[in-house]
Formats: sequence, C-alpha cells, structure tokens
Amino acid sequence: VIWMTQSPSLLSASTGDRVTISCRMSQGISSYLAWYQQKPGKAPELLIYAASTLQSGVPSRFSGSGSGTDFTLTISCLQSEDFATYYCQQYYSFPPTFGGGTKVEIK
Amino acid sequence: EVQLVESGGGLVQPGGSLRLSCAASGFTFSSYWMSWVRQAPGKGLEWVANIKQDGSEKYYVDSVKGRFTISRDNAKNSLYLQMNSLRAEDTAVYYCARGLPGYSSGWFDYWGQGTLVTVSS
Repeated sequence: VIWMTQSPSLLSASTGDRVTISCRMSQGISSYLAWYQQKPGKAPELLIYAASTLQSGVPSRFSGSGSGTDFTLTISCLQSEDFATYYCQQYYSFPPTFGGGTKVEIK
Repeated sequence: EVQLVESGGGLVQPGGSLRLSCAASGFTFSSYWMSWVRQAPGKGLEWVANIKQDGSEKYYVDSVKGRFTISRDNAKNSLYLQMNSLRAEDTAVYYCARGLPGYSSGWFDYWGQGTLVTVSS
C-alpha cells in the first residue's frame, strides 16, 4: 500500500491569495496522481489527473505539478467558491488511495 | 449529461446486510470500469471496490473482502454493492464513481451524490 501525506491539513487564506497544497508519496508513482475538490455535503469533483492535466471545465486558476513522490496543487487566485476540502489520489498501485485532505478555509 | 444516482442506504444493525444500487445515465455504461468509494463521517475518502466493464474482474479493499460483493447489470445501466456482515466501521457515505474505459486503476471523473449507510444497534 502506498501511503500519502497531504499538507497542510488546514489552510486559512483570503480571496485572491495564491495557495499551494502538497501531497507526498511513500514511494514513487510517476505521474499517476489526481486531485479532487469536495464541498460540504457534496460528492468530490475531479480537478486534475495525470498530475498536471486539467479536467474539462475546471478553471485555469487550478494547476498541478510534480512527479515521483512530490506533488503540488496550486490555486493561483483563490475565489470564494474555492473554499472546500481538497484530496489527492494515487492510481499507480492497487488499491487506489487518497490523501487525508486539506481544508481551505476563509482567513 | 453523465448522471450517477445511488440508492439503498439506511440504518442497519451490526451483522446485518444492505444492498446499494447506482443508476447510470448519459454515457455508455458498459464501456467503463466502475467503483464504489466511501467516506466515514468527518473523514477522508476510501476506495472500496471496482468492477470491469463485463463484470469478469472485481477487486476489493482488504477490509471488505469476503463481506462485500460488487456487481453490475449493463442491460439496466446499474451498479450494485451487496454488503453483508456489516460493522460499525462500515458507517459511511457510499459513492458510485466512474473509472476509466481501459484500465482497472485510474482517476474518477464522475461521482454520484452518495448514499448514507449507518451501522448501529
């Protein structure tokens, strides 16, 4: 099983801020990583797959980078609708696993 | 428009059984791997099981092996999860999620709204 460490677990930010969320793997996974956004009471929504490919319809202020063991999700200019919890997911090995989540809250 | 709609959740006693369903529409259901992913209250996401397009391959997370069975009916565009010997730690919202057409492992691009399963006496 691949262990994933997402940090920070809680991030306080203001509208307009640039924020970055980290996801670190216990072993290399090439670029087999996805990012999701989840709002309270709602299902997760896919933002990025293959570490850096933006899902259709996702705003360009979201970007992903990294390969191997270290990955980053960046929101270039935080909007009000971006306050949510974000999860990374590896699909390099079975079973697919998720990070613990990063809650982005209003500062 | 792709839609996944889960049903079948509810309150069940420890040791009991429940069958979840997921009705799919807006895409060619028989062309995709499908998964169940769960989320315990206030916790993160956990992949539970997946099934190949024709149902010939099924995979499970260790914690549910021997207790849960995933299945599908492509004629009805439906995915199922039969859950037996339920435990308190199975309490969660269960999501149906679409995988990839060609690979057993990948990302999930569409999710249902979820159905809550509560295991308690």
